[in-house]
Amino acid sequence: DAGITQSPRHKVTETGTPVTLRCHQTENHRYMYWYRQDPGHGLRLIHYSYGVKDTDKGEVSDGYSVSRSKTEDFLLTLESATSSQTSVYFCAISGDRAYGYTFGSGTRLTVV
Amino acid sequence: DQQVKQNSPSLSVQEGRISILNCDYTNSMFDYFLWYKKYPAEGPTFLISISSIKDKNEDGRFTVFLNKSAKHLSLHIVPSQPGDSAVYFCAASARDSSYKLIFGSGTRLLVRP
Repeated sequence: DAGITQSPRHKVTETGTPVTLRCHQTENHRYMYWYRQDPGHGLRLIHYSYGVKDTDKGEVSDGYSVSRSKTEDFLLTLESATSSQTSVYFCAISGDRAYGYTFGSGTRLTVV
Repeated sequence: DQQVKQNSPSLSVQEGRISILNCDYTNSMFDYFLWYKKYPAEGPTFLISISSIKDKNEDGRFTVFLNKSAKHLSLHIVPSQPGDSAVYFCAASARDSSYKLIFGSGTRLLVRP
């Protein structure tokens, strides 16, 4: 989506390896979020950030860490990937509450 | 404990008819409700929202109704078009919650030509 990009779009990795997903925004929004989408669960919040170096946990944060060293970049790291972390990961940015988030196009991660 | 629930995983509607997607919530602190639409291999896109001070919001073919006493909202699409076939997510946020959105599990809408 315009103003927010995720990389990579697809990744296959082995169990036990660390993986980092990147989210980049050009909108200068303060709030950034990482969600995962799984069948039957909708979108669940992993971590979010409310400013540079300010982050907090969401509802499914175990096994994940994040970092935000610049306003425009929000990184999600799977410290030691497991098969249960196979999912589609979405990054989002937030501006006006009435318009909710703008989402990136997603990263499909497969852990084998 | 699901705070936002979409109890219908799928819905099939004839083109030109009305589509009604439903959503229930449990948290009385929610004060903004949104609907998102998602096509395969794309990120969700914002469709329409409603504040808790209103009970209806309309945007073209899309209308969202909010019943606070029942903690229920619905999305009406009239008339439905084949291009509306997608997964629809209901979401809610509470005041002073860092804009965090809580999503339902989604309803897959199929509009038959």
